[in-house]
Amino acid sequence: GAGVSQSPSNKVTEKGKDVELRCDPISGHTALYWYRQSLGQGLEFLIYFQGNSAPDKSGLPSDRFSAERTGGSVSTLTIQRTQQEDSAVYLCASSFSRDSNQPQHFGDGTRLSIL
Amino acid sequence: AQKVTQAQTEISVVEKEDVTLDCVYETRDTTYYLFWYKQPPSGELVFLIRRNSFDEQNEISGRYSWNFQKSTSSFNFTITASQVVDSAVYFCALSERNTGTASKLTFGTGTRLQVTL
Repeated sequence: GAGVSQSPSNKVTEKGKDVELRCDPISGHTALYWYRQSLGQGLEFLIYFQGNSAPDKSGLPSDRFSAERTGGSVSTLTIQRTQQEDSAVYLCASSFSRDSNQPQHFGDGTRLSIL
Repeated sequence: AQKVTQAQTEISVVEKEDVTLDCVYETRDTTYYLFWYKQPPSGELVFLIRRNSFDEQNEISGRYSWNFQKSTSSFNFTITASQVVDSAVYFCALSERNTGTASKLTFGTGTRLQVTL
């Protein structure tokens, strides 16, 4: 498709389990971002990838969170030993380049619910 | 540190009314970019507009217009003759010039706009 694709759209899991969220950016976009949207915290930056450069992980809330981007395209966000406070909508965005004037285009998000 | 404030949590208007959504930002950088996004009930964030810090011209796109005033650090968004389809949460966001790190967006808390018949 033409837009950012995220899967699954919904994920319900038990506390303590690991989850993987997937993002397929717009073709040709070199920059990829993960954000989290929750009721208490609004929209928060998590991590950023640009080409083959080292990712900016400054927004990851704990070491239970990690992400990778293989081949400069698809990215997976992994949350280990999930906690109830991890419940949120996880949004992926991509942009044409890392330049801060480039608009980021967002996917529909993955709604994660931790029981 | 950069910060975006959207003081209006929720606004309700009747269709055809004009409505202005306020956005105030803080940044220490002299070059930065401002954005507005729309999040309809379906959930996807839709890019509406980008404005850079050295271009204070107002912009109009159909029923939408944006007023950027550097002197007051504001980037307000006006919808003229609102329609029910405008009902959504609107986010203002700030991105600072590249400093070797991510061009991450700092978002405001959003303004929920409800347009009724």
